[in-house]
Amino acid sequence: AQTVTQSQPEMSVQEAETVTLSCTYDTSESDYYLFWYKQPPSRQMILVIRQEAYKQQNATENRFSVNFQKAAKSFSLKISDSQLGDAAMYFCASTSGTYKYIFGTGTRLKVLA
Amino acid sequence: GAGVSQSPRYKVAKRGQDVALRCDPISGHVSLFWYQQALGQGPEFLTYFQNEAQLDKSGLPSDRFFAERPEGSVSTLKIQRTQQEDSAVYLCASSLGAGLSGNTIYFGEGSWLTVV
Repeated sequence: AQTVTQSQPEMSVQEAETVTLSCTYDTSESDYYLFWYKQPPSRQMILVIRQEAYKQQNATENRFSVNFQKAAKSFSLKISDSQLGDAAMYFCASTSGTYKYIFGTGTRLKVLA
Repeated sequence: GAGVSQSPRYKVAKRGQDVALRCDPISGHVSLFWYQQALGQGPEFLTYFQNEAQLDKSGLPSDRFFAERPEGSVSTLKIQRTQQEDSAVYLCASSLGAGLSGNTIYFGEGSWLTVV
């Protein structure tokens, strides 16, 4: 079965510093997408960044970047210049087939002023 | 509307009661997804609609769960004879295209269901 694992239940970072959230996944599919979503207390899932598995170049969105290691099935998220507004739950997800996302259990990020 | 809208935002149901959760997707979006998120967990897939057709319902946990999208826009998730293990946030999402590949999906804020 396809799985997504986030081994860090909680992480803390000082404001303006950099933090990396870890994610590993297991899939038998050759074509898939990987995502990081942010979930604030309102519970709305907000897309942070997306990576297409067939692209070797790591995706970047402003202060957010990923380290995609396809052979190791690793997909970590780096947040640079952390801001108080970055505090939230972060979920890693992969596509499974045509219709499903498989989500990890999440990492709670705390940003310290 | 501007985003995916879900109602009610909060629902407390007595065990054994039937509940209906509504999802208004972004206008014109073909795809609609339902996910269940239990406390402390990531969302889990329930079902997928492409227009009015329910193409995948493999994630519905039991025959007490039923979803429909009769006119290809608004969707309702119905839970019959609710049980305590049904307590969760139910997230709806929609996307413009069919399926997931290459499409951005937009989530609503969820319906929080508590069964007492």
